[in-house]
Amino acid sequence: EAGVAQSPRYKIIEKRQSVAFWCNPISGHATLYWYQQILGQGPKLLIQFQNNGVVDDSQLPKDRFSAERLKGVDSTLKIQPAKLEDSAVYLCASSPWTVSGANVLTFGAGSRLTVL
Amino acid sequence: KNEVEQSPQNLTAQEGEFITINCSYSVGISALHWLQQHPGGGIVSLFMLSSGKKKHGRLIATINIQEKHSSLHITASHPRDSAVYICAVKRKRANISNFGNEKLTFGTGTRLTIIP
Repeated sequence: EAGVAQSPRYKIIEKRQSVAFWCNPISGHATLYWYQQILGQGPKLLIQFQNNGVVDDSQLPKDRFSAERLKGVDSTLKIQPAKLEDSAVYLCASSPWTVSGANVLTFGAGSRLTVL
Repeated sequence: KNEVEQSPQNLTAQEGEFITINCSYSVGISALHWLQQHPGGGIVSLFMLSSGKKKHGRLIATINIQEKHSSLHITASHPRDSAVYICAVKRKRANISNFGNEKLTFGTGTRLTIIP
């Protein structure tokens, strides 16, 4: 089974520039998550999709971050304009949709963003 | 205070030592994940447990729901075990009843270094 694919793996930009990250979840996984992990901290949920609908985006800084999953499969996360504090690893994860909640969460390798 | 606390934050040990990493949480949960993150790498799910104990190779995870505490043990530790170990709890969403994926809350991780 192919894993969660993310690109790019690394991105360096200057502040005020924009950047986009792409995620292709495991085939058939209805739920897709974007997490932000700042160095030395645990991952923080930015947004969760159920198919192409948003379940939770309460911690997404909507003035500069946006995400979409138009066809309920792959997803993009965009930052515009970037700030220095956005330097982090952006992790995508996916899981199947289940009633019991005993679902397995699979993470991608992450996209490391450095904002100069 | 974080809802999920891990200890220690950093741990350095000699090869062969028995390792224990602790996780305490303050919320009601349905399950708990132990995750492993290598430098520059993605996150791998080691265990998901909701009661008792699980074992996989040299890794053992235990959970005490009443005490809201979990431990991850590594026997006969090896330098390749060096990584960040993250505890994450699955909390039921208040606004999604009966079905839907549950929200993960992450600890800040324990950085383990095993010296040859």
